[in-house]
Amino acid sequence: DTAVSQTPKYLVTQMGNDKSIKCEQNLGHDTMYWYKQDSKKFLKIMFSYNNKELIINETVPNRFSPKSPDKAHLNLHINSLELGDSAVYFCASSQPGRAGGGNEQFFGPGTRLTVL
Amino acid sequence: GIQVEQSPPDLILQEGANSTLRCNFSDSVNNLQWFHQNPWGQLINLFYIPSGTKQNGRLSATTVATERYSLLYISSSQTTDSGVYFCAVDLARRNSGAGSYQLTFGKGTKLSVIP
Repeated sequence: DTAVSQTPKYLVTQMGNDKSIKCEQNLGHDTMYWYKQDSKKFLKIMFSYNNKELIINETVPNRFSPKSPDKAHLNLHINSLELGDSAVYFCASSQPGRAGGGNEQFFGPGTRLTVL
Repeated sequence: GIQVEQSPPDLILQEGANSTLRCNFSDSVNNLQWFHQNPWGQLINLFYIPSGTKQNGRLSATTVATERYSLLYISSSQTTDSGVYFCAVDLARRNSGAGSYQLTFGKGTKLSVIP
């Protein structure tokens, strides 16, 4: 079974549209994350979230918002898409404080978003 | 914020050769991970290694936390080892909320193994 899954794998859309990317983890972790990988392969944190705390990277535009219907899911909503939003978006999860594993993060397969 | 520097940026190896990838970081860390991003874009966990040495098959890693660096060793390289290798760290403070455990990535080492 896939530990961290994302849908869709590919997303092609027009500028100005609103879209969502879904993420689910079956690891029983409390904390989930969204990362963005740009065209130069640089990976950067966007959000981290558990049921108590949302931390937003200050460089993330407010057009991006994470929504968590339950502990196993953290979806990413993007409003008014722009050309510069084209990237690969990775979801991850971890269980901070777990004995022996610290805060090892596990990543989903990524969603390649192309804005035309 | 913390700086993570990886070297070399690019590496070309003949199949069967050995290599060492380096990750330097600018502050004390509670978490350090090595990932392999394969040509299909998947991020594969190689090691969770905030300190010490670990081995997994042909790969091993060592982190010297007091000197703020980590090394990834690849022995007897194979073409399937090709891809980008990332080092990532977090500065989570032990008494902070779980949401502060955010990884900062280096820019990666692009490895090409040729037959």
